[in-house]
Amino acid sequence: GENVEQHPSTLSVQEGDSAVIKCTYSDSASNYFPWYKQELGKRPQLIIDIRSNVGEKKDQRIAVTLNKTAKHFSLHITETQPEDSAVYFCAADLGNEKLTFGTGTRLTIIP
Amino acid sequence: KAGVTQTPRYLIKTRGQQVTLSCSPISGHRSVSWYQQTPGQGLQFLFEYFSETQRNKGNFPGRFSGRQFSNSRSEMNVSTLELGDSALYLCASSPVGGANTEAFFGQGTRLTVV
Repeated sequence: GENVEQHPSTLSVQEGDSAVIKCTYSDSASNYFPWYKQELGKRPQLIIDIRSNVGEKKDQRIAVTLNKTAKHFSLHITETQPEDSAVYFCAADLGNEKLTFGTGTRLTIIP
Repeated sequence: KAGVTQTPRYLIKTRGQQVTLSCSPISGHRSVSWYQQTPGQGLQFLFEYFSETQRNKGNFPGRFSGRQFSNSRSEMNVSTLELGDSALYLCASSPVGGANTEAFFGQGTRLTVV
């Protein structure tokens, strides 16, 4: 079926360390993969996205990598800070004109 | 530019009642999508409206319906409420919609069914 699987569901890392969240998708025709961050009590906001014609994209401490052959993409956060604590959602366009979201990863940065 | 606005922010309803939620998109955005967010399930797509027409629909029962007005504002209605409908309902707007563009989310309406 159409789905996006996201792992892990919870992740705790020491401040300053790196965090990696991985998503896999089911439709090889997918070509748009955004990541949203939702802080406690706030709305989800786009933090980075990648399209299928590139393999990696970076924006300061965050990066996303895409492996179209294996149908997975990952969010990498380096030098984590307390304000990185949030729920992160991956999403993919599964060729049906709507974004399908993963189930979310609750990231906790330990001071 | 004002962001996406959802009203009300909180609602408590009784089983069997119906509810209407409202979403005002960013000025100039013609697409509004609705999502249901529950713990452990992420964001489940309900439907998308563009230029007053439903353009896409998720896998929710017919009790969930929506509409969009000529000013792009959208409403979502849930009839015959069930306990399992308790969730945060988010709407998101974008200029032309679809799945290949950034979605701008509202703060959500938290619905509690008792």
